Amino acid sequence: GNSVTQMEGPVTLSEEAFLTINCTYTATGYPSLFWYVQYPGEGLQLLLKATKADDKGSNKGFEATYRKETTSFHLEKGSVQVSDSAVYFCALTVPGNFNKFYFGSGTKLNVKP
Amino acid sequence: DTEVTQTPKHLVMGMTNKKSLKCEQHMGHRAMYWYKQKAKKPPELMFVYSYEKLSINESVPSRFSPECPNSSLLNLHLHALQPEDSALYLCASSQGLAVFQETQYFGPGTRLLVL
Repeated sequence: GNSVTQMEGPVTLSEEAFLTINCTYTATGYPSLFWYVQYPGEGLQLLLKATKADDKGSNKGFEATYRKETTSFHLEKGSVQVSDSAVYFCALTVPGNFNKFYFGSGTKLNVKP
Repeated sequence: DTEVTQTPKHLVMGMTNKKSLKCEQHMGHRAMYWYKQKAKKPPELMFVYSYEKLSINESVPSRFSPECPNSSLLNLHLHALQPEDSALYLCASSQGLAVFQETQYFGPGTRLLVL
């Protein structure tokens, strides 16, 4: 089947620390992979995506590389800010299923000044 | 413009009430989605509309009734809800080309409280 596993949170970091949030997946077919971010009280915003192996998605200093050999799409940022505090969701979709998304459980990030 | 709008932002209703949630997008997208999100959980897919036709119903109770009157608008009609239906209801849209795995663009959600 299709599923996404994310590291348990919350993750608490100091400002300017390095961030990694792990995401691994299982998929039938060739998935596209996404990271979404949800700030308190808001909907989900697309952070970045990758549609084929070895693609690197990047946005606002965040990066993730589609690794087919390890079925992973880990999210990284070199220097986090307080404003990055949010919940991060990894997700995938596979061909031929009306673009149904499979979300991970979400990882809450707290960044302290 | 990648905006999906949802109204109302907040809704409180009794178990005997009938209410509707509204979602609108003007990006020319032909696929639209309803999700339910409980606190500290990921969104759960409820319905998918593709070209104004219901394509996926994830075994949602009949007290939730979706409607897609045109390609820009998606409604969710609510009737006889239970307190456990209290949640954030999110709408999303995507291009609807079907052959691609597409980015979904989410609205801000309607926070529903059922008393």
